[in-house]
Amino acid sequence: AQSVTQLGSHVSVSEGALVLLRCNYSSSVPPYLFWYVQYPNQGLQLLLKYTSAATLVKGINGFEAEFKKSETSFHLTKPSAHMSDAAEYFCAVSDGTYKYIFGTGTRLKVLA
Amino acid sequence: DGGITQSPKYLFRKEGQNVTLSCEQNLNHDAMYWYRQDPGQGLRLIYYSQIVNDFQKGDIAEGYSVSREKKESFPLTVTSAQKNPTAFYLCASSITGSRGQETQYFGPGTRLLVL
Repeated sequence: AQSVTQLGSHVSVSEGALVLLRCNYSSSVPPYLFWYVQYPNQGLQLLLKYTSAATLVKGINGFEAEFKKSETSFHLTKPSAHMSDAAEYFCAVSDGTYKYIFGTGTRLKVLA
Repeated sequence: DGGITQSPKYLFRKEGQNVTLSCEQNLNHDAMYWYRQDPGQGLRLIYYSQIVNDFQKGDIAEGYSVSREKKESFPLTVTSAQKNPTAFYLCASSITGSRGQETQYFGPGTRLLVL
């Protein structure tokens, strides 16, 4: 069975500060991991994905995530937050098939 | 431009009424999905379809029905049996990557409200 835990349903950072959104997973098979972003009343947009190649994955909009098997984590980071980063972020795990398990989301607020 | 379209953006349902949400994709993806999103609960899978004329129930299929007559289209019907239909509905499609994994892409969503 697979599961995803996103620590912190709400995160606030100052503009220009580091963004760190946490995701821990559980999987009995090698996982595939994804981060999506959702702006209000819109669909989910793929930020980045881990597919067992490089453990440090770079995505769009300056985001990146590092797969750490020993910590079962896939945290999302961005060195400098921008006002336009304010959104909800979802982590998802898959065994490679059609079945995705989504976390409950983290809402990021960026303070001016 | 290739993408996934959902219509309508907002939909209102009366008691006892069936309503149908449209999802179309021109990405040539084989698989398509329907999710329900409620505040604080993430996304829950309603139905998915890997090929035309075939679909499988997800985690919360009760009160919903789907069809897949064309590769591009995967409409979702919310029936009167669904007692709490108010939610944001997301359609997705997926492509198989070079390492064999499915990557899902999402449409803009339909918000369903009960009158």
